[in-house]
Amino acid sequence: AAGVIQSPRHLIKEKRETATLKCYPIPRHDTVYWYQQGPGQDPQFLISFYEKMQSDKGSIPDRFSAQQFSDYHSELNMSSLELGDSALYFCASSSDRGLGYTFGSGTRLTVV
Amino acid sequence: SQQGEEDPQALSIQEGENATMNCSYKTSINNLQWYRQNSGRGLVHLILIRSNEREKHSGRLRVTLDTSKKSSSLLITASRAADTASYFCAATQLLSGTYKYIFGTGTRLKVLA
Repeated sequence: AAGVIQSPRHLIKEKRETATLKCYPIPRHDTVYWYQQGPGQDPQFLISFYEKMQSDKGSIPDRFSAQQFSDYHSELNMSSLELGDSALYFCASSSDRGLGYTFGSGTRLTVV
Repeated sequence: SQQGEEDPQALSIQEGENATMNCSYKTSINNLQWYRQNSGRGLVHLILIRSNEREKHSGRLRVTLDTSKKSSSLLITASRAADTASYFCAATQLLSGTYKYIFGTGTRLKVLA
């Protein structure tokens, strides 16, 4: 069965650079969520989209932005990267806005 | 801030023993899910229990939900070394027409062979 696909799996960037993370939800899932998980931390909700519109916003820094495209894939854009942005970034998708969350394997971002 | 809280935060048991992890939350929920995460890896969905359910089983997993106490427990029976991982609960709350998905801090389970 198709799962949530995230790319890239690993990313190394330098401070002040920009990174773009991509998420491809399960087909027919209309909602996408982004989470950030620092080392040894629990996942923190960043932002979500429903039908290509932002539906909720969590602890997402102003340096980050995200959008959901017409094919329902989503991209998380991160600018002026800081060392503290090093984390696992998870994307999840659902079809009914609350049930049946499926997570991707995550993108490990390392800022050096 | 995260509303889910789990205890214990770390648990070390011998293979074959049962492991029980608890999760508490502060507001009403629509459902609660348990996830497993191996070190530095993705979140694997284990089981979902809806707010109108009290108990659910899946293989060696048993989840209970007590909405009056706003708590849930995950029991892993006959644990194996391969069960070593972090276990998170995540509660889905409907707030102002928007679903929020709140993770607990996780229990780090170590099963010793």
